[in-house]
Amino acid sequence: TQLLEQSPQFLSIQEGENLTVYCNSSSVFSSLQWYRQEPGEGPVLLVTVVTGGEVKKLKRLTFQFGDARKDSSLHITAAQPGDTGLYLCAGDFRGTGKLIFGQGTTLQVKP
Amino acid sequence: DTGVSQNPRHKITKRGQNVTFRCDPISEHNRLYWYRQTLGQGPEFLTYFQNEAQLEKSRLLSDRFSAERPKGSFSTLEIQRTEQGDSAMYLCASSLGGALYFGPGTRLLVL
Repeated sequence: TQLLEQSPQFLSIQEGENLTVYCNSSSVFSSLQWYRQEPGEGPVLLVTVVTGGEVKKLKRLTFQFGDARKDSSLHITAAQPGDTGLYLCAGDFRGTGKLIFGQGTTLQVKP
Repeated sequence: DTGVSQNPRHKITKRGQNVTFRCDPISEHNRLYWYRQTLGQGPEFLTYFQNEAQLEKSRLLSDRFSAERPKGSFSTLEIQRTEQGDSAMYLCASSLGGALYFGPGTRLLVL
């Protein structure tokens, strides 16, 4: 059974601070996606990474895919209250599009 | 709006009743997924379709759950004889084989 471990589970920081969220597995991903979810809504796709060692940037968010395609990280620079939400990593292990999700990281950015 | 839509958005029912949820995917997407999510956790895979064929069903899904996708367009998820443990957000997503695009979800509360 493939499992995704996401850490930390909860993060409460002040506006302007930096943070990193980690996503790890013992299995190799075909691809990995990061989502952000707000209360009462469905997850919204942030990025898809496919190639080992890949780095993608989305404004203040930097996503990295491990060389062995077993782990990933999300780094937010100068966090803002609007970044508050549940961040989810999700791995596609077999290339079928069926995603296995981590348990999520709840981020609170205080003004 | 051409995104994934789900109806109803909220459903309150009494234990033992049957409920049915509907998902309308993005029109050109051939894959459709159902996930279940409890508060503060990542979504849990339930089942997925490619066109009208149901390709995989989670072993965690009891026989009380059934899903259909007639004609390969919209899908329905039915829960028979609901139990309090069925209370959760039910998410639908669609894709062309890459990233998943989620609907807003149906929140079910079983009293």
